[in-house]
Amino acid sequence: EDQVTQSPEALRLQEGESSSLNCSYTVSGLRGLFWYRQDPGKGPEFLFTLYSAGEEKEKERLKATLTKKESFLHITAPKPEDSATYLCAVHTGTASKLTFGTGTRLQVML
Amino acid sequence: NAGVTQTPKFQVLKTGQSMTLQCAQDMNHNSMYWYRQDPGMGLRLIYYSASEGTTDKGEVPNGYNVSRLNKREFSLRLESAAPSQTSVYFCASSEAHVYPGTDTQYFGPGTRLTVL
Repeated sequence: EDQVTQSPEALRLQEGESSSLNCSYTVSGLRGLFWYRQDPGKGPEFLFTLYSAGEEKEKERLKATLTKKESFLHITAPKPEDSATYLCAVHTGTASKLTFGTGTRLQVML
Repeated sequence: NAGVTQTPKFQVLKTGQSMTLQCAQDMNHNSMYWYRQDPGMGLRLIYYSASEGTTDKGEVPNGYNVSRLNKREFSLRLESAAPSQTSVYFCASSEAHVYPGTDTQYFGPGTRLTVL
């Protein structure tokens, strides 16, 4: 069975303090890994899609990377507005669905 | 361009009551999806539709029915609500129709449902 594990569950950073969120997966044949941001009371908002090991994508202070076993979401010099829950999801092609992790709640303090 | 819209935003039901959650998208997407999100669990797929007139079960379909009314609209019906169906429900859509779930999904704002 496909499994996605995100760590840590929660992370508190000071403004400007860079860090990384982890998404490890156990799947049979990765077809795509997706990162989403979710603000309280809102729906998930798409950030990145990664398809193959070694691939990297960047958007503002966020950079997503992918290996054969895990993905990292690096946050450089975060700001309070980066506070949100970050969700990781994988698609394996064996079923028409995404398998989501439970997310990392990020809080960036002034 | 509103993206994916859902109604209602909030709903409280009593056990055994029925209701329909509505979802519409204006992005001309082929595939649409219904998820539920519960504390401590990832988003779980209830049903999906790869095209108008077709629907398929996801991971947790029991207790739900769906209708793909046209390309824009996909509704989720609870025939006899149970407390275990208390959750936040999200609708999503994506372009793919041959391999739904393989491409980027865009989510609506959610419906917060409480069943007493």
